[in-house]
Amino acid sequence: DTGVSQDPRHKITKRGQNVTFRCDPISEHNRLYWYRQTLGQGPEFLTYFQNEAQLEKSRLLSDRFSAERPKGSFSTLEIQRTEQGDSAMYLCASSSDRLEQYFGPGTRLTVT
Amino acid sequence: GESVGLHLPTLSVQEGDNSIINCAYSNSASDYFIWYKQESGKGPQFIIDIRSNMDKRQGQRVTVLLNKTVKHLSLQIAATQPGDSAVYFCAENPGGKLIFGQGTELSVKP
Repeated sequence: DTGVSQDPRHKITKRGQNVTFRCDPISEHNRLYWYRQTLGQGPEFLTYFQNEAQLEKSRLLSDRFSAERPKGSFSTLEIQRTEQGDSAMYLCASSSDRLEQYFGPGTRLTVT
Repeated sequence: GESVGLHLPTLSVQEGDNSIINCAYSNSASDYFIWYKQESGKGPQFIIDIRSNMDKRQGQRVTVLLNKTVKHLSLQIAATQPGDSAVYFCAENPGGKLIFGQGTELSVKP
């Protein structure tokens, strides 16, 4: 257990529905990252925050995706109008500045 | 574009032998590299990191070697154990985000 928690661990939804995932980072970490991982591939970067500020977003993050970290602690990732291609493991990580990133267990999303 | 890749998708070793997992990276500007271990259904677990001003770093049973001339990274695991069976990823950090390769699946035979 790295100290990064994610909720829910699994989510099954129908195409077109909205879903929201939550990540609680290690408490003293000021950076929080979201990645997406599909089977057999390495994680792909989606976005990251330093405190409340969203500093970078990947081109993978379409208009249907939005992430927030309102108080610089936990973060949420919302996917609107889900598509089957959104099925993946969504990973959250946290770090102190640019040091090593510690990952949570992930949220596995299945869109039917 | 930027990419980090692995030479071998699978590696099978006998318990007690040493394992070597290789990785090539393409971004010359990257100055920080990390190895992660990922077991099925779990998030990546930090193993060891190395900065570009070093060419070798040792941890407990693991050693990372960095060759900037050929942009090559390797992870050596000494006395490999069944619990080491997992997928191993190298990642480069050019500033903020991590860029991962596809991974090498390590299988340890008892």
